[in-house]
Amino acid sequence: DAEITQSPRHKITETGRQVTLACHQTWNHNNMFWYRQDLGHGLRLIHYSYGVQDTNKGEVSDGYSVSRSNTEDLPLTLESAASSQTSVYFCASSPGQPDTQYFGPGTRLTVL
Amino acid sequence: EDQVTQSPEALRLQEGESSSLNCSYTVSGLRGLFWYRQDPGKGPEFLFTLYSAGEEKEKERLKATLTKKESFLHITAPKPEDSATYLCAVLPYGQNFVFGPGTRLSVLP
Repeated sequence: DAEITQSPRHKITETGRQVTLACHQTWNHNNMFWYRQDLGHGLRLIHYSYGVQDTNKGEVSDGYSVSRSNTEDLPLTLESAASSQTSVYFCASSPGQPDTQYFGPGTRLTVL
Repeated sequence: EDQVTQSPEALRLQEGESSSLNCSYTVSGLRGLFWYRQDPGKGPEFLFTLYSAGEEKEKERLKATLTKKESFLHITAPKPEDSATYLCAVLPYGQNFVFGPGTRLSVLP
């Protein structure tokens, strides 16, 4: 069955370190998204991509970057982790726009 | 600015006690409204999409309705397995999804 996976599921890192969160989908969807989820907030969009070599900034993109070299993967990089980036991160994909987004299981990141 | 609010923030029901969750939105133009269910420690799971005022969708004990300013998720005779956080999201024209903060539902046996 097609799916979307994220790794690692849990990560603890230190302030200032570079961290990369992986997202892999086997649906062959063109669109991929990264969100963060914090208590009291809805899911907030960090970056998104509508296809290979395409990347765009979302609502809360400062301190994050993405690259899209193939259809299946959209890794999220925290260039220099900060405590404010402690959160749960979700990756999602959709076949087109507008269209339902399908979410991965999430990565819980703690920055100490 | 596009906004989505959900109420109540948390809801506790007895098994079999029907109720409704509210999603109010302010958008310049609505392309679609989506409902998701999220279990603890998991990613959101798609439930419904509504595109126009007056539209209704049903799935088991859940029914979603849409007006020009809000959507309701009606839960009829809920069971403990319906306990989850329910997320509402709007998709404005030319923009990305805007999610609400969610309603945390607990159904007690």
